[in-house]
Amino acid sequence: EVQLVQSGTEVRKPGESLKISCKGIGYSFTSYWIAWVRQMPGKGLEWMGIMNPRDSDTRYSPSFQGQVTISADKSISTAYLQWTSLKAPGTAMYYCVRQVSGSLFDSWGQGTLVTVSS
Amino acid sequence: QSALTQPASVSGSPGQSITISCTGTSNDVGGYNYVSWFQKHPGKVPKLMIYDVSNRPSGVSNRFSGSKSGNTASLTISGLQAEDEADYYCNSYTTASTLGWVFGGGTKLTVL
Repeated sequence: EVQLVQSGTEVRKPGESLKISCKGIGYSFTSYWIAWVRQMPGKGLEWMGIMNPRDSDTRYSPSFQGQVTISADKSISTAYLQWTSLKAPGTAMYYCVRQVSGSLFDSWGQGTLVTVSS
Repeated sequence: QSALTQPASVSGSPGQSITISCTGTSNDVGGYNYVSWFQKHPGKVPKLMIYDVSNRPSGVSNRFSGSKSGNTASLTISGLQAEDEADYYCNSYTTASTLGWVFGGGTKLTVL
């Protein structure tokens, strides 16, 4: 069974760094692109970026370019979403999702809740 | 880039059919057959309902169907059931962004 297993809830202060993870289980991790999606409370889904774990080719949404870094460690089938300096207070859920082909985004992680609060 | 345009809300009674529209441009919905639809219940993970305009993943009820005409894609749900009440998001490939993908703003479906 294909699974994307994300790291747990995080609470940070503004200005702190953070790296959350998404481990691919049950499939060839380097064969499929992995994307990250944000959902803020009461708001819609937003694409943040997408990466090919095979060669680390990464594309970012203009809204998130320069704000986050997407990376992966093929040896442990894990993708990461990283902030070097978290912004203004707020809460959001971050999901990783696998792209099989075309618009077939079939498997989603369970989500990682990130709260930034002073 | 701008999100695809969806109605904020739609509603229907059990057993009825409803259609949710998703309007884009020739740079996204109109130019490519890469449109998908996701269902999201509060506190749950998004679920893929339709991909590549009209394809249903294994396990998704055939009450859900997708289509496209010009720059507008549509999700139709027939035989509405209470459990269909959720938010629905369209998604399309786009050349207007280096990322390559754009969501719609989401539509809240209420089953009366």
